[in-house]
Amino acid sequence: AQSVTQPDIHITVSEGASLELRCNYSYGATPYLFWYVQSPGQGLQLLLKYFSGDTLVQGIKGFEAEFKRSQSSFNLRKPSVHWSDAAEYFCAFGYTGGFKTIFGAGTRLFVKA
Amino acid sequence: DGGITQSPKYLFRKEGQNVTLSCEQNLNHDAMYWYRQDPGQGLRLIYYSQIVNDFQKGDIAEGYSVSREKKESFPLTVTSAQKNPTAFYLCASRLTGLGTNEKLFFGSGTQLSVL
Repeated sequence: AQSVTQPDIHITVSEGASLELRCNYSYGATPYLFWYVQSPGQGLQLLLKYFSGDTLVQGIKGFEAEFKRSQSSFNLRKPSVHWSDAAEYFCAFGYTGGFKTIFGAGTRLFVKA
Repeated sequence: DGGITQSPKYLFRKEGQNVTLSCEQNLNHDAMYWYRQDPGQGLRLIYYSQIVNDFQKGDIAEGYSVSREKKESFPLTVTSAQKNPTAFYLCASRLTGLGTNEKLFFGSGTQLSVL
């Protein structure tokens, strides 16, 4: 069955430090992969997406993600975290012919001064 | 501006009561979705609709009902059969139904609580 796993429930990083959020998926073919961000009490906003081609994807707000087929991973990175990045981050995937997007459980990011 | 509007922002339900959450979009999207969000569980699909007058159950449809009489509107009713309705409910839309390569657009959510 298709699934997506975010191993870290929450992560705390210092402002200015680098960030990596992990995401692993389970699917027999190449999926469509997404990262969304959610501020408290709000809806989700797309950060970036991967469909095919270059495995390093650039998104909004200085985020990037790398698709690694051999590891079934799509980790999100940012070189320098700002306090405004504190939020919950969701990895998600879709697939050809599918009708729904499958979400991971989310990783809550805390940023300390 | 185009977008998805959910109302109300906060909703309280009494025991045995049905309540309806509103979702309206002016993006001209065919597909609409309802997700339930509980802490630590991510988003779980309740119902989805790929076209007007058609909808399908998602992963956790029991205790919920929907209608899709207009392209712009996809209201969700939480019935008295839903014994644990307290959650954050998110409505989303996508341009086409079978296009999971397309991103989802989300509303700002409704927090439902039981009195």
